[in-house]
Amino acid sequence: DIQMTQSPSSVSASVGDRVTITCRASQGISSWLAWYQQKPGKAPKLLIFAASSLQSGVPSRFSGSGSGTDFTLSISSLQPEDFATYYCQQASNFPFTFGPGTKVDIK
Amino acid sequence: QVQLVESGGGLVKPGGSLRLSCAASGFTFSDYYMSWIRQAPGKGLEWVSYMSGGRRYTNYADSVKGRFTISRDNAKNSLYLQMNSLRAEDTAVYYCARLSSWGPAIDYWGQGTLVTVSS
Repeated sequence: DIQMTQSPSSVSASVGDRVTITCRASQGISSWLAWYQQKPGKAPKLLIFAASSLQSGVPSRFSGSGSGTDFTLSISSLQPEDFATYYCQQASNFPFTFGPGTKVDIK
Repeated sequence: QVQLVESGGGLVKPGGSLRLSCAASGFTFSDYYMSWIRQAPGKGLEWVSYMSGGRRYTNYADSVKGRFTISRDNAKNSLYLQMNSLRAEDTAVYYCARLSSWGPAIDYWGQGTLVTVSS
């Protein structure tokens, strides 16, 4: 199975800050990567697919980059509604594994 | 609009069985791969199983292989998960999910149904 790691595991930030989350795959996955946002008690929401493509309806302050084994999710100017947990997911080989999550909370 | 509504969760004893259902609406159900994904309380996400639109292709996580069976009824726009020989570690919120047209990413999720396996 492909293992996914994320760093940091949590980050405290203020409204307006730029936040960057890193995701690493245990083997190359080309651009087969997605990012999700999950708020407590809710289902995840797709933000980014194909490593850098913005899902319809997702604000442009979210962006993704990377290929191979190293990927990043960036939030250019953190908004109050962005405080949540973020997961990466590899879509290259089944089982399609998720990273452990990065919690973004209020500083 | 796309809606996925799960049902069938609940409390079951170890070794017991449960069948989850997912009612889909707002899209052409038979055109899409569908999946079950679970999340244990306070934990991360685990992809359990998927099935292709025409039911030809399925796959299961090793943790459930031989115990869980995914199925679908395209005439009823419904997805199912038959769960047998349940274990405590199967306790989780189970999400019905639609795979995106791009590939194995989930573009729509249900609200989830809680399965608790406990004596």
